[in-house]
Amino acid sequence: KAGVTQTPRYLIKTRGQQVTLSCSPISGHRSVSWYQQTPGQGLQFLFEYFSETQRNKGNFPGRFSGRQFSNSRSEMNVSTLELGDSALYLCASSFTGQRNTEAFFGQGTRLTVV
Amino acid sequence: DQQVKQNSPSLSVQEGRISILNCDYTNSMFDYFLWYKKYPAEGPTFLISISSIKDKNEDGRFTVFLNKSAKHLSLHIVPSQPGDSAVYFCAASAPGAQKLVFGQGTRLTINP
Repeated sequence: KAGVTQTPRYLIKTRGQQVTLSCSPISGHRSVSWYQQTPGQGLQFLFEYFSETQRNKGNFPGRFSGRQFSNSRSEMNVSTLELGDSALYLCASSFTGQRNTEAFFGQGTRLTVV
Repeated sequence: DQQVKQNSPSLSVQEGRISILNCDYTNSMFDYFLWYKKYPAEGPTFLISISSIKDKNEDGRFTVFLNKSAKHLSLHIVPSQPGDSAVYFCAASAPGAQKLVFGQGTRLTINP
């Protein structure tokens, strides 16, 4: 069974640009969550989608947005990039998104903003 | 406002000995806790979880202890093995919330 796939693995963007990251969940999983990992901050929750609907949102500015497609694949978009957006972006999929069901993480997309 | 804190950025343990990783939380609404392990260039992988109705949960070499009154949980690894060298994150969630709140992580190094 294929794991969670995130593309691209690495990305370099310039301040002010926008970027779209993609996440393909494990087959059959309907919940996709996104996290940002920066040095010293741990993993911070961005948002969670289930059946194409955003169910939860973290404390990030509106420049961070996402969506989920009918096949459960999800994309995350960051507009007007800032240097502080440089981070590892991780997505996690689970069958239902319920707290007691295991979430499987992808390898992440390393975004560098210069 | 760091609701989940791992105060030790790193820990070094001799192979075969016990590794104890600690985690504190401030939000009394948290009632479900998890530990994840992360190797470089890989996503975190789930290790073990515990619900607030329990104070201990075991899975092989891994045991998680929860002290609700102290808002503290710990992960014990016995015996520690070189392959356990990784970054360990504790995470917590509240009822009705699908999001996990993570600590900053502890880098565990097992020395041969």
